[in-house]
Amino acid sequence: QKEVEQNSGPLSVPEGAIASLNCTYSDRGSQSFFWYRQYSGKSPELIMSIYSNGDKEDGRFTAQLNKASQYVSLLIRDSQPSDSATYLCAVIGDSSYKLIFGSGTRLLVRP
Amino acid sequence: NAGVTQTPKFRILKIGQSMTLQCAQDMNHNYMYWYRQDPGMGLKLIYYSVGAGITDKGEVPNGYNVSRSTTEDFPLRLELAAPSQTSVYFCASSYSQGRTGNTIYFGEGSWLTVV
Repeated sequence: QKEVEQNSGPLSVPEGAIASLNCTYSDRGSQSFFWYRQYSGKSPELIMSIYSNGDKEDGRFTAQLNKASQYVSLLIRDSQPSDSATYLCAVIGDSSYKLIFGSGTRLLVRP
Repeated sequence: NAGVTQTPKFRILKIGQSMTLQCAQDMNHNYMYWYRQDPGMGLKLIYYSVGAGITDKGEVPNGYNVSRSTTEDFPLRLELAAPSQTSVYFCASSYSQGRTGNTIYFGEGSWLTVV
């Protein structure tokens, strides 16, 4: 079982819709969770971090964490074509300094 | 405003050659990482370091070596290049690995092709 799993997509949504990206992780003791955005040919950039169960909102982005289900998600409201990118979920385990990435979900926002 | 600097940006190697990817950060970060990213895939951790003189293996360390003699520098060494090492390599750093304030900064990447 992969440590961090994501659906590779592509996830296609129309402009203005809500995009929902999902991620599951295997280490039940994981404490820190991150969403990165990566445009083609570029390095990843941090969008959101979340550490506690529940929702965390930042502008059009909301991260949701459910540790009991080992599940973290990212919602993008009012999706824009400029949001088209690959979104990477990353997790730091309980007893490790390693930041482990999922394989990423490609998001396409149709004008 | 340098952040994390990687060199070279592009390199073509022949099978069996050796090379070092350089990484330097000017943010006084303790933690540094090397990742590789194959086309259409996520990032795989090669090696990481929690401070000068301390390194540890990540998910895919075979075929690579690292050293951390200073806080600023974290070079990645490929001893006998193989086609399977064709990838994009990202160096990254962070101040801490605590529960908060854990922003990881990435370099711009090094594109390596082994032929």
